[in-house]
Amino acid sequence: NAGVTQTPKFQVLKTGQSMTLQCAQDMNHNSMYWYRQDPGMGLRLIYYSASEGTTDKGEVPNGYNVSRLNKREFSLRLESAAPSQTSVYFCASMAAEATNEKLFFGSGTQLSVL
Amino acid sequence: DQQVKQNSPSLSVQEGRISILNCDYTNSMFDYFLWYKKYPAEGPTFLISISSIKDKNEDGRFTVFLNKSAKHLSLHIVPSQPGDSAVYFCAASKKAGKSTFGDGTTLTVKP
Repeated sequence: NAGVTQTPKFQVLKTGQSMTLQCAQDMNHNSMYWYRQDPGMGLRLIYYSASEGTTDKGEVPNGYNVSRLNKREFSLRLESAAPSQTSVYFCASMAAEATNEKLFFGSGTQLSVL
Repeated sequence: DQQVKQNSPSLSVQEGRISILNCDYTNSMFDYFLWYKKYPAEGPTFLISISSIKDKNEDGRFTVFLNKSAKHLSLHIVPSQPGDSAVYFCAASKKAGKSTFGDGTTLTVKP
């Protein structure tokens, strides 16, 4: 079983370029999340989607946009990349936000902005 | 203000001994706590959780203890194995809320 799949695994951007990180889950989960992890720090929530058709800001949403394309897919877009967005990005899913359940994470996208 | 704190960035233990990882939180509204384990170049994976109505939860070699009055939880690994070497994240959530993560503790288990 694939679980949560993220693409690409690595990306290098120049300041000002745009890109979209893709995420798909095959577990029929309702809720999906985007986190970033900076060196020596925990995971910080960027955006989340509690259910198909809804999206909300997390702790650090500035500079990002998201799209919940369907129940399976949740993409993260950087419109104009900045060096401060150099980080490892993790997509995650949960069966339903209304229940206290565990997150399932993808393997991450390592993004460098020069 | 960091609501979930793991004050030890790293911990080194000998194989076969006990590993104790600690986590403190400040928000009394948190009522569900989780531990995740992360290997390099992989995403975090769920390890064990505990609800605020309990003070202990056990799963094989892993036990999580919760002290609500002290706003403190700990993860015990007994016995520790080299394969347990990883980064461990503590996370806390409110009912129907999103998880807030600590900064992680890197555990090294020496053979």
